[in-house]
Amino acid sequence: SQQGEEDPQALSIQEGENATMNCSYKTSINNLQWYRQNSGRGLVHLILIRSNEREKHSGRLRVTLDTSKKSSSLLITASRAADTASYFCATMPPVNGQNFVFGPGTRLSVLP
Amino acid sequence: DAGITQSPRYKITETGRQVTLMCHQTWSHSYMFWYRQDLGHGLRLIYYSAAADITDKGEVPDGYVVSRSKTENFPLTLESATRSQTSVYFCASTRGVNTDTQYFGPGTRLTVL
Repeated sequence: SQQGEEDPQALSIQEGENATMNCSYKTSINNLQWYRQNSGRGLVHLILIRSNEREKHSGRLRVTLDTSKKSSSLLITASRAADTASYFCATMPPVNGQNFVFGPGTRLSVLP
Repeated sequence: DAGITQSPRYKITETGRQVTLMCHQTWSHSYMFWYRQDLGHGLRLIYYSAAADITDKGEVPDGYVVSRSKTENFPLTLESATRSQTSVYFCASTRGVNTDTQYFGPGTRLTVL
């Protein structure tokens, strides 16, 4: 079964609005990462948050992590049309030899 | 700095044929990964490699073979392609351990008729 599940599956907002995407996971993690994928392209790393961190910022991105609820959220502030993409969370279990597990993604559309 | 490249970008083949997808990275990253991306499934790990000559299975390895004779190359072979292997395939690498940020190639769209 998938470790990470993004919510919502699709999100449509107007330019300038904030976009919030959520990721829930089932087991403990070493870290959690968010990636963006533009149509027809590979994934691009956005931000990494470790299990002992609660919040991280990078430009217009804000990521929170609640390990007690096994959930993370990605907030994009003041969205732009160029933010239109799919966003994936990837969780890394703490056990050696494990690998990232990606969720199915949230498709974000930012309308001009 | 070319980064990580994949070839071909698009491939159409027939059921039963052997197909090899190439992945090349210029960073000398230790870890390399192969994923497939299908609608509704996100990315699923096929195989990964911790270093040259060290490979291991991921979540969906059946029907695939990998090798890693050189650090920079990680080819993925479909020994006898099936329609269910129609997908977009991504190669990725990490600088250090497998918990690090992953750097992805542009993908190969494979269609098996």
